[in-house]
Amino acid sequence: EAEVAQSPRYKITEKSQAVAFWCDPISGHATLYWYRQILGQGPELLVQFQDESVVDDSQLPKDRFSAERLKGVDSTLKIQPAELGDSAMYLCASSPIRGSGSSYEQYFGPGTRLTVT
Amino acid sequence: DAKTTQPPSMDCAEGRAANLPCNHSTISGNEYVYWYRQIHSQGPQYIIHGLKNNETNEMASLIITEDRKSSTLILPHATLRDTAVYYCIAGGGGATNKLIFGTGTLLAVQP
Repeated sequence: EAEVAQSPRYKITEKSQAVAFWCDPISGHATLYWYRQILGQGPELLVQFQDESVVDDSQLPKDRFSAERLKGVDSTLKIQPAELGDSAMYLCASSPIRGSGSSYEQYFGPGTRLTVT
Repeated sequence: DAKTTQPPSMDCAEGRAANLPCNHSTISGNEYVYWYRQIHSQGPQYIIHGLKNNETNEMASLIITEDRKSSTLILPHATLRDTAVYYCIAGGGGATNKLIFGTGTLLAVQP
């Protein structure tokens, strides 16, 4: 069964350092999502891509976070500089594209747990 | 996206049906009801979704009231591996299919 791949699974970094996470969605899935999940809370959408284009980044802290999906396949989420409050699980998800107004399930990867010290 | 209300926790005996309620009284006509679950330290897993009609798949059944203001996820024969946080989400169906997760229900299946 196809899965969303993420790396690394765990990352410890010092505050003010740069950190990057990688995601490879399920083959053929045009839509890719990055979520952040703070302990005890549900995932919160940071950015959504349709192919290589950003369709929603309203919750992305753009002063320190950036995301790209250059060829419309895999994606990288970067934080620079990292702050203590960035400690969380970073989840990637993908979904197939359907017609406008249709519903489609999102498939999540295992996540990257970031600890900022 | 409509707000959902779920109990913070529930218990269920192994082998029995688990019925997880969700209130979404402000759901709009084009919003779907989605259920996901998250086992500890893993990514969320899609379970089922529906718009108006009841739905069933190999994992669960989804019962949506006629007025669409509430729904129930049914796991017909709960096992210990079903212990997880279950999220009910009302949303999607629009241009971005955005899902807003709440804090969910922690289902503890007891042996």
